[in-house]
Amino acid sequence: EPEVTQTPSHQVTQMGQEVILRCVPISNHLYFYWYRQILGQKVEFLVSFYNNEISEKSEIFDDQFSVERPDGSNFTLKIRSTKLEDSAMYFCASSPTRSNEQFFGPGTRLTVL
Amino acid sequence: GESVGLHLPTLSVQEGDNSIINCAYSNSASDYFIWYKQESGKGPQFIIDIRSNMDKRQGQRVTVLLNKTVKHLSLQIAATQPGDSAVYFCAETQTAGNKLTFGGGTRVLVKP
Repeated sequence: EPEVTQTPSHQVTQMGQEVILRCVPISNHLYFYWYRQILGQKVEFLVSFYNNEISEKSEIFDDQFSVERPDGSNFTLKIRSTKLEDSAMYFCASSPTRSNEQFFGPGTRLTVL
Repeated sequence: GESVGLHLPTLSVQEGDNSIINCAYSNSASDYFIWYKQESGKGPQFIIDIRSNMDKRQGQRVTVLLNKTVKHLSLQIAATQPGDSAVYFCAETQTAGNKLTFGGGTRVLVKP
């Protein structure tokens, strides 16, 4: 069964450093999302992406964040200058259509020191 | 701001019994309500959704009930199994495929 995959599973970085979180959505999916979950808190929406552009973004998704689909298979989230409060589990999700059934990856745990 | 929240943080249930997980929402503009399940070490997994013009929807061993009058959503799991042990999140969205706003989660522990 096809799955969304994410790499790395755990990323440790120093405050101020840039990180790129990588996702490979399910191959025939057209809608892509990033969410994050700070430990002990709710899953929070960051951004949605369709047809090579951002469809929707949250207040969290400020100028430090960007997304890209560089090669038709990968979907990346870049944080330019990480802050301590960016420490969280980051989930990528994809969907074949505009649907409430979003397929989530296993997440990347980002730790900012 | 508007949010989706849960009444019970942890629910312990005997294997074979039915489980009921509750959720309150405050955004009256929401058109879809969704339940996701998250097992340890995995991302959320879609269970079932319901549109605001419905009050009940059934899936395989699960039923979602929506009471718009009191802005309440529930998920019923019939004959709870050990594999149902997980954290369950309710979520809402104004348009299918748009961002999901998640609630805080309820942990379900199934006792053998």
